[in-house]
Amino acid sequence: SQQGEEDPQALSIQEGENATMNCSYKTSINNLQWYRQNSGRGLVHLILIRSNEREKHSGRLRVTLDTSKKSSSLLITASRAADTASYFCATDSGSRLTFGEGTQLTVNP
Amino acid sequence: KAGVTQTPRYLIKTRGQQVTLSCSPISGHRSVSWYQQTPGQGLQFLFEYFSETQRNKGNFPGRFSGRQFSNSRSEMNVSTLELGDSALYLCASSLAGGFNQPQHFGDGTRLSIL
Repeated sequence: SQQGEEDPQALSIQEGENATMNCSYKTSINNLQWYRQNSGRGLVHLILIRSNEREKHSGRLRVTLDTSKKSSSLLITASRAADTASYFCATDSGSRLTFGEGTQLTVNP
Repeated sequence: KAGVTQTPRYLIKTRGQQVTLSCSPISGHRSVSWYQQTPGQGLQFLFEYFSETQRNKGNFPGRFSGRQFSNSRSEMNVSTLELGDSALYLCASSLAGGFNQPQHFGDGTRLSIL
């Protein structure tokens, strides 16, 4: 079963808008990671946030982590058509990486 | 630096056959993990290898097995194939064992069972 649950399942926005995706999980974690997957391709690592961190930035990406609520969010600012992809959160419990169900983001030009 | 290479990209098999998938990690990476991705179950962890030893295993039947060679290349084998084994199989490599670092994925092998 998937530990992570993401919402929304699908998100459609216009180029230039911000996109926010949320991830919830059930057990304690060492870190949480976000990945992007373009159709038919492998996953690309975006950002890793450790359990003792609350916020992390990388370019147009901002990730927050609230371990008390067991949740994380990924914000993509000033979105581009090239950001169209599926986005997955993944939690490291020590023995495996457990992926959420993913959010399909569509950025319309 | 070359990325993670998975071969073959596409494979068609029939029920009851067996299949071997190959994964070459990024040069210098010693850890390889395997995942199964399906529309119904999403991404599920199969197993992790580090220095030729299986460190962790997911909840898959014994028909799914793997190994890692001294050059860190890994193979995954599925025996007695079932229709439900149709999936995209992804491998990922990282420098060290465990999951406290970014995982680098290949583009996967799409396996179709007829």
